[in-house]
Amino acid sequence: AQSVTQLDSQVPVFEEAPVELRCNYSSSVSVYLFWYVQYPNQGLQLLLKYLSGSTLVKGINGFEAEFNKSQTSFHLRKPSVHISDTAEYFCAVSEGNAGNMLTFGGGTRLMVKP
Amino acid sequence: GAVVSQHPSRVICKSGTSVKIECRSLDFQATTMFWYRQFPKQSLMLMATSNEGSKATYEQGVEKDKFLINHASLTLSTLTVTSAHPEDSSFYICSARDPWMDTEAFFGQGTRLTVV
Repeated sequence: AQSVTQLDSQVPVFEEAPVELRCNYSSSVSVYLFWYVQYPNQGLQLLLKYLSGSTLVKGINGFEAEFNKSQTSFHLRKPSVHISDTAEYFCAVSEGNAGNMLTFGGGTRLMVKP
Repeated sequence: GAVVSQHPSRVICKSGTSVKIECRSLDFQATTMFWYRQFPKQSLMLMATSNEGSKATYEQGVEKDKFLINHASLTLSTLTVTSAHPEDSSFYICSARDPWMDTEAFFGQGTRLTVV
């Protein structure tokens, strides 16, 4: 069975500073990896995904993530955050098919301070 | 991308009543839909997998008689919370799989259920 661990439940950071949100997964088969953002009282918005190919994936809002198979990680990064990036971020994996059921990490609350 | 519409976005109901939540794929046929639940300040947990024309598969610990799932057509799945109690208050969100564009799960907007 697959599992996802987001090592930090909260990450405070000052505006315009870089940030990395960590995600590690475990699975016995090949996986597809996703990062979602959830703003208060809203649904999920897909930031980026890794399906295959280049291990560096670029997403929306200036975010990127790097798939590291040997370390089973898929950390999310942004070189300069904005106040508007304050939200909950979820890492997720699926097996078999990219559109299949997702296993989510516990979430990381990114808090951007002015 | 494919669009999934979930309705209602918010619902408040009295304890003991039932609530139906709809999940529709608007521009594709979804052979499989998934229902998730998110308690406040927690992550999303898969409740059940819904396949068109067959019985849903429930995750361990999810009461199938309480959370009735129907997937009668390729574009509609419904989740009915029966005899709702305050502890059922949660955010429910569905996703649908497009077998022809299987590059990601397509999520609905979610439903905030409050049982009073």
